[in-house]
Amino acid sequence: SQTIHQWPATLVQPVGSPLSLECTVEGTSNPNLYWYRQAAGRGLQLLFYSVGIGQISSEVPQNLSASRPQDRQFILSSKKLLLSDSGFYLCAWRATYTGELFFGEGSRLTVL
Amino acid sequence: SQQGEEDPQALSIQEGENATMNCSYKTSINNLQWYRQNSGRGLVHLILIRSNEREKHSGRLRVTLDTSKKSSSLLITASRAADTASYFCATALYNNNDMRFGAGTRLTVKP
Repeated sequence: SQTIHQWPATLVQPVGSPLSLECTVEGTSNPNLYWYRQAAGRGLQLLFYSVGIGQISSEVPQNLSASRPQDRQFILSSKKLLLSDSGFYLCAWRATYTGELFFGEGSRLTVL
Repeated sequence: SQQGEEDPQALSIQEGENATMNCSYKTSINNLQWYRQNSGRGLVHLILIRSNEREKHSGRLRVTLDTSKKSSSLLITASRAADTASYFCATALYNNNDMRFGAGTRLTVKP
């Protein structure tokens, strides 16, 4: 069966510090991978998605970046965090035939 | 940018009542999906309806899709306190790998 892991679960970082959130998927190959951000009490904002190794599509962020160094690994990074980067970050993979998304448990980032 | 818009933003009902949530979207879609999120957790897929389908059932869930109005509804029948969560619609576009979510409906079911 397929599983998705996200870490760390909780992170408190000062403004200007770097960020690295990691997501790995098991039990499937060549999945489409997604990073979403959710502000408190709000909907999901698509940040990045990837259809394969080294292939990243960016939707919004200016100081965030994503990388896919391996087939089942998706990393969200920042060199210098802003206060506005605070939020709940969710990684997901997409089933090829059904099209549904499977989410990790999320990483809650607080930038102080 | 977000594709879907859920309505209402919040809904509070008594256990046993039915809950109806609506979703509107802007562009042509391949399919529309509904997800549930418990507070502070990841989203869980509930049901998918394709653009050529008009209605779909899964247990106590009933989803309708009207592509002419670009809208969908999710009905939860005989609600339970455990149904308390946020519900989101998401749209998959044709020839496009991204998935866009609405702002969600916060459902509270009082015991």
